[in-house]
Amino acid sequence: KAGVTQTPRYLIKTRGQQVTLSCSPISGHRSVSWYQQTPGQGLQFLFEYFSETQRNKGNFPGRFSGRQFSNSRSEMNVSTLELGDSALYLCASSAQGGGNTIYFGEGSWLTVV
Amino acid sequence: AQSVSQHNHHVILSEAASLELGCNYSYGGTVNLFWYVQYPGQHLQLLLKYFSGDPLVKGIKGFEAEFIKSKFSFNLRKPSVQWSDTAEYFCAVNVRGSYIPTFGRGTSLIVHP
Repeated sequence: KAGVTQTPRYLIKTRGQQVTLSCSPISGHRSVSWYQQTPGQGLQFLFEYFSETQRNKGNFPGRFSGRQFSNSRSEMNVSTLELGDSALYLCASSAQGGGNTIYFGEGSWLTVV
Repeated sequence: AQSVSQHNHHVILSEAASLELGCNYSYGGTVNLFWYVQYPGQHLQLLLKYFSGDPLVKGIKGFEAEFIKSKFSFNLRKPSVQWSDTAEYFCAVNVRGSYIPTFGRGTSLIVHP
């Protein structure tokens, strides 16, 4: 069974640009969540989608958005990039969410210059 | 809101030393508990989990964790560490009925050969 796949793995953007990251969950998983990982802050929850609906949202500004498609694939978008957005963005999937085990992808390394 | 505390941010050990990483959470209700590990250059993967039953949980690679409800703790242990255990370790807590786990900030473990 293929794991969680994230693309692109590495990218460099300049301040003010926008970026879209993609995530394909494990087959059959309907819940997809996104996290931002930085050395000082650990893992911070961005949002979670289930059946194309945003079910939970963390404390990030509106520049961070996401969506989920009918095949459970998800994208997250960050507009008007800031230097502080440089981080590893992790996608995780689970069968239903709700306390089930979540499985992580390898992440997308975003550097904003 | 629930919170998760990992008291040790950096731990350095020699091979064969014993390991205990602390994890405490703040929620008083029923919880699911997890430890994840992130080896250098790899994605986060599940080390072990507790949902119910025996509070002493055994995971992969000789790790175990004990859930002590009265202390709101879920400490990770390993009797004898190896160089290959060098990694970052994250504790996560999910309140039953909530869709999203809360992660601690992580503990960086370095094992010297």
